[in-house]
Amino acid sequence: GQQLNQSPQSMFIQEGEDVSMNCTSSSIFNTWLWYKQDPGEGPVLLIALYKAGELTSNGRLTAQFGITRKDSFLNISASIPSDVGIYFCAGQFGYIFGTGTRLKVLA
Amino acid sequence: DAGVIQSPRHEVTEMGQEVTLRCKPISGHNSLFWYRQTMMRGLELLIYFNNNVPIDDSGMPEDRFSAKMPNASFSTLKIQPSEPRDSAVYFCASAKTGYGYTFGSGTRLTVV
Repeated sequence: GQQLNQSPQSMFIQEGEDVSMNCTSSSIFNTWLWYKQDPGEGPVLLIALYKAGELTSNGRLTAQFGITRKDSFLNISASIPSDVGIYFCAGQFGYIFGTGTRLKVLA
Repeated sequence: DAGVIQSPRHEVTEMGQEVTLRCKPISGHNSLFWYRQTMMRGLELLIYFNNNVPIDDSGMPEDRFSAKMPNASFSTLKIQPSEPRDSAVYFCASAKTGYGYTFGSGTRLTVV
């Protein structure tokens, strides 16, 4: 099936650093969602975006719905060790999932 | 709120056997989704139901896979006969229309 392209695929960062990742699609989406998956668990919804240009925060997380409606961005500020996991974008409420960004935080 | 409940958490079966995965969605959610996750293919939507009716099963890999939702509080995904390439983590998720999905903890299926 169709997948969204996420980048980077993986990243190692130092604790306290800011993190940015993005997701692009060849199709226009009406919604973008960002999920985090911990080992052995299902993805957990972090942020939902419903209109182009929307910027939404959830604690240290901020996500934006791209103006073109074909991309979205997730930023994590001042990363901490528990931010480790795989981050997925999803379009159309979760109908299509991205390939994931694996984040590792070095204490 | 108990969340989406899946059972079993782990299943090991021999090739050719029938496998049934179970899901109890969150009460009040009217949509239910089955996903499969593998390293190679990531998260793939297999089928989704709205108000207990299958809406899109285009992701179901082949006729060996079938899913049912006899009522609003229960769904099954069945594989018969199972094959080693079916080994994956299978997730169930539920949602209210217009909202993001809540996932269960998944069933890790191993077919030997």
